[in-house]
Amino acid sequence: ELKVEQNPLFLSMQEGKNYTIYCNYSTTSDRLYWYRQDPGKSLESLFVLLSNGAVKQEGRLMASLDTKARLSTLHITAAVHDLSATYFCAVDIAGTASKLTFGTGTRLQVTL
Amino acid sequence: DGGITQSPKYLFRKEGQNVTLSCEQNLNHDAMYWYRQDPGQGLRLIYYSQIVNDFQKGDIAEGYSVSREKKESFPLTVTSAQKNPTAFYLCASSIQRQFYSGANVLTFGAGSRLTVL
Repeated sequence: ELKVEQNPLFLSMQEGKNYTIYCNYSTTSDRLYWYRQDPGKSLESLFVLLSNGAVKQEGRLMASLDTKARLSTLHITAAVHDLSATYFCAVDIAGTASKLTFGTGTRLQVTL
Repeated sequence: DGGITQSPKYLFRKEGQNVTLSCEQNLNHDAMYWYRQDPGQGLRLIYYSQIVNDFQKGDIAEGYSVSREKKESFPLTVTSAQKNPTAFYLCASSIQRQFYSGANVLTFGAGSRLTVL
């Protein structure tokens, strides 16, 4: 059974600081996704990582994938309040009818 | 605009009642999904469908039922057999189809919040 773990579960950080969210998964896969959810809202896709060593960046967020370590990171650079949200990573395995397995989420709160 | 429409946004149910949550998409996506989200937890897959008239159970299908009579529609019924139905329900779709091996990026609806009184 594929398991996906994120840490930390909750992160409070000051504006301007850097931090990293970690996503570990239990089964070999080279397909990892990051989503963002604002409170009470739906999820929106942030990044799709499809190979070992893949790196994607959008604004102050950068995601990377190490398939050998079964680890993805979401790095936040110089955080701003607008980044406050819950971030989920999700993993699927090609050829298994694409059942995405989500992590428990990391709730990020950026304070002034 | 293309997207996924879920209704109702809020729903209250008495114990013992069945309720149906609607999900409609105009993205021409083949695959559709229902997820349940509980406070402070990740998403858990209830049911998914890759083609019309076919669907599979996800990880927590007990107490739920679905149908896929049209490509655009994937309604979820929460039956009285679901012991703890209070949750936020998210419908999603993707271009994923049978034997497709590309990335499976999901587009989500706005969600339906169900509360049992």
